[in-house]
Amino acid sequence: GAGVSQSPSNKVTEKGKDVELRCDPISGHTALYWYRQSLGQGLEFLIYFQGNSAPDKSGLPSDRFSAERTGGSVSTLTIQRTQQEDSAVYLCASSPSSRGGPTDTQYFGPGTRLTVL
Amino acid sequence: KNQVEQSPQSLIILEGKNCTLQCNYTVSPFSNLRWYKQDTGRGPVSLTIMTFSENTKSNGRYTATLDADTKQSSLHITASQLSDSASYICVVSALSNYQLIWGAGTKLIIKP
Repeated sequence: GAGVSQSPSNKVTEKGKDVELRCDPISGHTALYWYRQSLGQGLEFLIYFQGNSAPDKSGLPSDRFSAERTGGSVSTLTIQRTQQEDSAVYLCASSPSSRGGPTDTQYFGPGTRLTVL
Repeated sequence: KNQVEQSPQSLIILEGKNCTLQCNYTVSPFSNLRWYKQDTGRGPVSLTIMTFSENTKSNGRYTATLDADTKQSSLHITASQLSDSASYICVVSALSNYQLIWGAGTKLIIKP
């Protein structure tokens, strides 16, 4: 398909375990974003990539969270030593141009629902 | 502090009726404003985008307005359909760093 894909769609883990969430952006999109959304809440920005670099990591809630992007394409969000408050839907989006510009439109993936027991 | 506030928090209307959702922002300097629709269990989908010089933009039954002087935007939905049931999110971009400020959304429920 031509859209943003994320895997896994659902992840259940035990407190203290590490998890990796994957995002495959739309081919050719230079910008990639990670967001977190708790049940019934708005989107919480985590990190923004332009190419392989992350000029804005200001939303990462703690040093347990990290993300990387390789080849200007696939991105992985890693959460170490997961806590119950990490339970949420993690959404990835990509856009064809730089963040926030007049022509920038983000295309979202279906999300990964993370449950930490 | 850059903020985006939406009202109402939730809204229930009957199918076929019109409704208007509000977005107030304090983002400065302003670059552009977007409305997204998020169906339950899915990622948001862009509806409209408006820059400083635009004060209205339509996408089918959706019409967005922007008053850059009062820093207010509205999303008007005409002849609502059951499929319009979703959260509608206002997002404002700051010109200085293009940071995106996301509103909490309005949850709209259309009843038959």
